[in-house]
Amino acid sequence: SQQGEEDPQALSIQEGENATMNCSYKTSINNLQWYRQNSGRGLVHLILIRSNEREKHSGRLRVTLDTSKKSSSLLITASRAADTASYFCATDGGGGSEKLVFGKGTKLTVNP
Amino acid sequence: EADIYQTPRYLVIGTGKKITLECSQTMGHDKMYWYQQDPGMELHLIHYSYGVNSTEKGDLSSESTVSRIRTEHFPLTLESARPSHTSQYLCASSGLGTAIWGGYTFGSGTRLTVV
Repeated sequence: SQQGEEDPQALSIQEGENATMNCSYKTSINNLQWYRQNSGRGLVHLILIRSNEREKHSGRLRVTLDTSKKSSSLLITASRAADTASYFCATDGGGGSEKLVFGKGTKLTVNP
Repeated sequence: EADIYQTPRYLVIGTGKKITLECSQTMGHDKMYWYQQDPGMELHLIHYSYGVNSTEKGDLSSESTVSRIRTEHFPLTLESARPSHTSQYLCASSGLGTAIWGGYTFGSGTRLTVV
């Protein structure tokens, strides 16, 4: 069953702008992770935020987590054309499950 | 360099053929996963393994089968390919605790087309 759902499904911005993607999920979690997928390739792990954390930074990435609303956001600052990709959130099912459930993803296009 | 490898990268095959998609990792990870992804869509877990001689079906029903005879190798087999099997197949692995605290490592995927 669908766990994470990203919003928006597609996002088009200009280089230098910030991009914000949101993810909602349904069940309790140990952590929430964000992945990036370039067209036709495998996924690359970007960042993980634990259920007891509210915000985390990694370079130009900022992730927030609101467990009361069961939602997370990924902010990419000062976007570049190379950031063009699909971005997926993934959640475990809590309780020690190590199977990740992925959302449908947000397709980000950064125009030069 | 530690990594996870999938072969072939692309495969076009006729209906009814038997195929095996290969996945190998050099990281010594005990957990391995197969996901199926249609273009632009979400990933669906079809098989996973938590160690040698351990395999389980995932959330999405699949006609494929898997085996885990060696830690590093997790091949996926379709006994009789059909056009409905056309999709991208992604293999991933994780080590002790890394699925929960560190994330998966993915291969580049195999794009399968059954004609």
